[in-house]
Amino acid sequence: QVHLQQPGPGVVKPSQTLSLTCDISGDSVSSNSAAWNWIRQSPSRGLEWLGRTYYRSKWYYEYAVSVKSRVTINPDTSKNQFSLHLNSVTPEDTAVYYCAGGHWPSAFDIWGQGTMVTVSS
Amino acid sequence: DIVMTQSPDSLAVSLGERATINCKSSQSVLDSSNKKNFLAWYQQKPGQPPKLLIFGASTRESGVPDRFSGSGSGTDFTLTISSLQAEDVAVYYCQQYYTTPYTFGQGTKLEIK
Repeated sequence: QVHLQQPGPGVVKPSQTLSLTCDISGDSVSSNSAAWNWIRQSPSRGLEWLGRTYYRSKWYYEYAVSVKSRVTINPDTSKNQFSLHLNSVTPEDTAVYYCAGGHWPSAFDIWGQGTMVTVSS
Repeated sequence: DIVMTQSPDSLAVSLGERATINCKSSQSVLDSSNKKNFLAWYQQKPGQPPKLLIFGASTRESGVPDRFSGSGSGTDFTLTISSLQAEDVAVYYCQQYYTTPYTFGQGTKLEIK
């Protein structure tokens, strides 16, 4: 059974970098049939896909245009996890952040429990 | 970006009755090469992440009760709950995964009448 574990809630100051990790159990971040995503949810923006990474003989990365200049998603094969880094945050980045896995031909079939991140001074 | 629009925004249905939620995409999510629709439905209860119900527009995820069904193709899709149960109270989202950026509908809140 695949499980994704995220950290607990946190606060980030404006202009700083939001960093989250997602630990994978029961699967591999290097799986050739999976993609690993970050999604956030807020009352103002709803569910918003931020980006993904996946391995198909090499690593691929795709990001939403809305955050492309500020976001990085990195796999860590040694820890079997992937991370989200979002820099220059503002209060608009306050949201619940989810990691999610998708296994072809399905959609997002496994989700982490979510991490509430508040951007505040 | 593909815009996903759900209707209605909220819905109240009596226990045991049918609930129908619609989803329209601003462009087709049908891959003509394999005839697959890249459309999913999720259920979200308070304090929980979304749970995948349906993928490929009509394929139920493992473990999902058969009262949930999905239909449609191209740009117009429907989620039907054939006989509403109390535990089905939730917000339901459609999502396209045809092309990035993957996008979600605004959600439909389903309540008991």
